[in-house]
Amino acid sequence: AQSVTQPDIHITVSEGASLELRCNYSYGATPYLFWYVQSPGQGLQLLLKYFSGDTLVQGIKGFEAEFKRSQSSFNLRKPSVHWSDAAEYFCAVGGPQGAGNKLTFGGGTRVLVKP
Amino acid sequence: GAGVSQSPSNKVTEKGKDVELRCDPISGHTALYWYRQSLGQGLEFLIYFQGNSAPDKSGLPSDRFSAERTGGSVSTLTIQRTQQEDSAVYLCASSPRGPGRETQYFGPGTRLLVL
Repeated sequence: AQSVTQPDIHITVSEGASLELRCNYSYGATPYLFWYVQSPGQGLQLLLKYFSGDTLVQGIKGFEAEFKRSQSSFNLRKPSVHWSDAAEYFCAVGGPQGAGNKLTFGGGTRVLVKP
Repeated sequence: GAGVSQSPSNKVTEKGKDVELRCDPISGHTALYWYRQSLGQGLEFLIYFQGNSAPDKSGLPSDRFSAERTGGSVSTLTIQRTQQEDSAVYLCASSPRGPGRETQYFGPGTRLLVL
C-alpha cells in the first residue's frame, strides 16, 4: 500500500530565509508525486508535480522539489520565504499510472513565517 | 475559467440528521474525487467517479456515506444519521481526461460540524 510521511509537523522560518519541507513515500512503482499548499480556510492549491524525467521540478511561487528514488523522497524547497508562504503543505503520492489516481496524502507540515 | 465549487461552505447539523454536500467540477473534467480532512485522520480519499464507469467507493468509512454523480457533472455526497466523528472538511477535486488526468484540482471544501 502506498503511504507518505512528512516528518515535520511544524516549521518556523524567518522571512527571507530558505525553507525545506521533507517528504518520504512508499510506493511499489514509479510514483506520481505532488505538493499542495493550503491556506487557512482554503482548499488545496497545486504547487508542483513529478511524473518522470528531470528529477528537479519547478513549481509556482518560487518552489521547487527534487525526486530522489534512492531515498524515496520528494523534498520541497524555497530559497527565500515570504510572509505569504505561511500555510500548511501537503505531499501526496498518486495511484497507478493510467488508472484511478486517488491520492494518498502525508500528514502535512504547517509553516510559520517570522518577520 | 471557473474552478471546482462546493456548497455549502459551512454546515452545522445535529447528530442523527442527514446532510448533502454538493460539488461542481471544472467544466469538461471527467474524473471527480471526494476526500475528507479531519484532525485525527488527516486527508483521506473517500470515493472516485470516472465518466460512466462504476465509482470506486473503497474509501467510504461506513454505509452511512454515499455519493452520486448526475449527468457526469455535479456530484452529491450524502451522510445519513450523522455522528460527531463525521465533523470534518469535505473536499472535492476533479481532473480532465487525457493529458493532465493525473492532476487533481480541488475546491474550497465544505466544513461540516455535527453537534
